[in-house]
Amino acid sequence: ELKVEQNPLFLSMQEEKNYTIYCDYSTTSDRLYWYRQDPGKSLESLFVLLSNGAVKQEGRLMASLDTKARLSTLHITAAVHDLSATYFCAVTPSGGGADGLTFGKGTHLIIQP
Amino acid sequence: GAVVSQHPSRVICKSGTSVKIECRSLDFQATTMFWYRQFPKKSLMLMATSNEGSKATYEQGVEKDKFLINHASLTLSTLTVTSAHPEDSSFYICSASLDSSYPNYGYTFGSGTRLTVV
Repeated sequence: ELKVEQNPLFLSMQEEKNYTIYCDYSTTSDRLYWYRQDPGKSLESLFVLLSNGAVKQEGRLMASLDTKARLSTLHITAAVHDLSATYFCAVTPSGGGADGLTFGKGTHLIIQP
Repeated sequence: GAVVSQHPSRVICKSGTSVKIECRSLDFQATTMFWYRQFPKKSLMLMATSNEGSKATYEQGVEKDKFLINHASLTLSTLTVTSAHPEDSSFYICSASLDSSYPNYGYTFGSGTRLTVV
């Protein structure tokens, strides 16, 4: 059974602080996805990490992938209130697009002024 | 590009009735679409994989006779919740996979349908 473990599941932090969300997974896939979900909304794609050592950055968010350790991280730099949301990582059994995604439980992030 | 349009966004139905949710790929052809369910404050769970022109593949524990999936064309997949009960109340989201030619490579998601069964 494919497992995706995210931690922490809940994170309350102050603006301007840095923090990291961790995603451990059990598949041998070399592809991992990060999504953002706002309350009552669907998913917004943040990053698609395609290979070992991949690092992608967008604004204050940076994601990395270590396929050997089966670990991905989502790092938040100098957090701002607008980043408050729930963040999910997800993988597929094979890495390809023919399979549906298995999601982590999500990290509910609250950024306080 | 690569937008999936999902309707309705919100539906309230009486227990015992059926509800149909539609997902259309607006500017691409979706050979495969995926249906997910999300309960409040929970993660997304894959329900089934829908393939154009063939029967859907359901995940373990998902009742195929209750959640009817039809993927009759390359741009439309539907999920019908039959004989809905309050425990079926959830947020249903469809998705399609995209190849590397798309900026949002990976998977694109519909906007979701909030189903409330009363």
